Amino acid sequence: SAVISQKPSRDICQRGTSLTIQCQVDSQVTMMFWYRQQPGQSLTLIATANQGSEATYESGFVIDKFPISRPNLTFSTLTVSNMSPEDSSIYLCSVWRGAYEQYFGPGTRLTVT
Amino acid sequence: SQQGEEDPQALSIQEGENATMNCSYKTSINNLQWYRQNSGRGLVHLILIRSNEREKHSGRLRVTLDTSKKSSSLLITASRAADTASYFCATDASNNTGKLIFGQGTTLQVKP
Repeated sequence: SAVISQKPSRDICQRGTSLTIQCQVDSQVTMMFWYRQQPGQSLTLIATANQGSEATYESGFVIDKFPISRPNLTFSTLTVSNMSPEDSSIYLCSVWRGAYEQYFGPGTRLTVT
Repeated sequence: SQQGEEDPQALSIQEGENATMNCSYKTSINNLQWYRQNSGRGLVHLILIRSNEREKHSGRLRVTLDTSKKSSSLLITASRAADTASYFCATDASNNTGKLIFGQGTTLQVKP
């Protein structure tokens, strides 16, 4: 298994500011992902956090808005930049260890006012 | 983009009854997973069924997969109030890379 922690668990931010969310895993993993869950909606994959290289973004998500770092195999950050109320969501990191082992963090609930 | 549809979107039943949720998807899959989410909190992995499997059981959960129809169902038997949550199906976006595409979800309310 993998134990994932995220910081902060929740935050309320003003529009125009940025927030960096941290994801820490208790063991090394190759694949880490970031998902967004807008209010009342399902989860959408934002990007794959690649260790040592630029993240791979899904359609509709760009690096300028959601810069991602992955300095090592246990840690990643997602920044939500220049926030607007539409960015109010739960952001979840996920790790995949192959062989059908997938785990999710507890999520960061972001409210933008 | 979302992989597929789930129905019903919302389901309300009495404790002790069975709950059935359906999920359809669009592309070929490696596996299909079901997750539970309580009140917008983190996801709890319930069960995974591989593309070459047709049915799987785990406790009170039974999952079926019909790859010819690109659909899956989750049955929760003898439901409890604690089963009240949102349930999502998720499929591998491509060949087993861990990138999941989620269905829209079913909100289940179990009344005591």
